[in-house]
Amino acid sequence: SQTIHQWPATLVQPVGSPLSLECTVEGTSNPNLYWYRQAAGRGLQLLFYSVGIGQISSEVPQNLSASRPQDRQFILSSKKLLLSDSGFYLCAWSDGAQETQYFGPGTRLLVL
Amino acid sequence: AQSVTQLGSHVSVSEGALVLLRCNYSSSVPPYLFWYVQYPNQGLQLLLKYTTGATLVKGINGFEAEFKKSETSFHLTKPSAHMSDAAEYFCAVSKPGTYKYIFGTGTRLKVLA
Repeated sequence: SQTIHQWPATLVQPVGSPLSLECTVEGTSNPNLYWYRQAAGRGLQLLFYSVGIGQISSEVPQNLSASRPQDRQFILSSKKLLLSDSGFYLCAWSDGAQETQYFGPGTRLLVL
Repeated sequence: AQSVTQLGSHVSVSEGALVLLRCNYSSSVPPYLFWYVQYPNQGLQLLLKYTTGATLVKGINGFEAEFKKSETSFHLTKPSAHMSDAAEYFCAVSKPGTYKYIFGTGTRLKVLA
């Protein structure tokens, strides 16, 4: 069966510091991968998605970037965090056949 | 462009009562529709989905939803609420072949003893 991991689970970072959040998927190959940010009362906002290694599509211009160095690894990064980057970050995967997205446990980021 | 509207950011029901969470969508093509549940500080768990075929879809934990094209709705129901159903519920729409979802803003369900 497939599983998706995210780490860290929680993170407190000062403004201006760098960020790296990691997501890995097990039990499948060539998944579509997604990064979402969830803010209170605003639902989920799609940040990036990837259909293959090195292929990243950005949905919202912002302070963040994403990379996919391996087939089942998806990384969310920032060079300098802003207060507005605080939130709950969710990674998800899907396969091409079913178009159903499966979510990881999330990372809670607090920027102070 | 696609969009999703979830009516009622907070819904309260008594234990054993009917649960009805509303979702209306806008789509230029026949959509795929999804309901997810999120418990505090956790990721989203798929409850059910509609792609094609039967318009009444049954999911996990006793939930079901009906796709009504004429009303552009995909409301989530459960005949009898349980305390463990207290969570946030998200409706999502997808354009087939795009692999991207548009999520509603969520409905927080509270179950009263």
